[in-house]
Amino acid sequence: DQQVKQNSPSLSVQEGRISILNCDYTNSMFDYFLWYKKYPAEGPTFLISISSIKDKNEDGRFTVFLNKSAKHLSLHIVPSQPGDSAVYFCAASATGGTSYGKLTFGQGTILTVHP
Amino acid sequence: DSGVTQTPKHLITATGQRVTLRCSPRSGDLSVYWYQQSLDQGLQFLIQYYNGEERAKGNILERFSAQQFPDLHSELNLSSLELGDSALYFCASSVTLGQGFGTGELFFGEGSRLTVL
Repeated sequence: DQQVKQNSPSLSVQEGRISILNCDYTNSMFDYFLWYKKYPAEGPTFLISISSIKDKNEDGRFTVFLNKSAKHLSLHIVPSQPGDSAVYFCAASATGGTSYGKLTFGQGTILTVHP
Repeated sequence: DSGVTQTPKHLITATGQRVTLRCSPRSGDLSVYWYQQSLDQGLQFLIQYYNGEERAKGNILERFSAQQFPDLHSELNLSSLELGDSALYFCASSVTLGQGFGTGELFFGEGSRLTVL
């Protein structure tokens, strides 16, 4: 049962353009969402997060949008840079009960930014 | 550098064998999480410990077990290994189970790559 889905295995964009990575979830108990970035031979690193009480959160070139009714979130990177090329994982958490702190991850999207 | 240390980085072993993966969390972090990443898969949650106690269990096989020691380091034991157990095993840590959950951020180690031949 894939509770967090990233339906695009890969995305290719030109440097300077916008990258949009998408994520869908099915568990209504999820109320905190995160994006992680992973380079080869490294562990995932935290990028940006959003609480379910918000619909948008910005941090520099990165913006995450949350549409709770559609159970959908997206990560926008503007402008995209070659150094952004990595695997991006969407993750979700239900901040209560025994799942507190545990993150459920999507399969990841490989982003390639061409110079 | 996330501050989470995992050893060994690479491990090659044969089917039927047993291995132990070790994780040292960030200084001050009480929660430790283990995740498995198989080829072309996302990170699958295995198990979580908080201050020495098991707090949550995911899709962890009965052949796998884990523990967190008084010094907060954790070990993941994998036994009767099968070819399908070949994967990257990540350890992550966070401050506490509840307090300071504001960012919801887990800090990941670089992973232990297990190859079962």
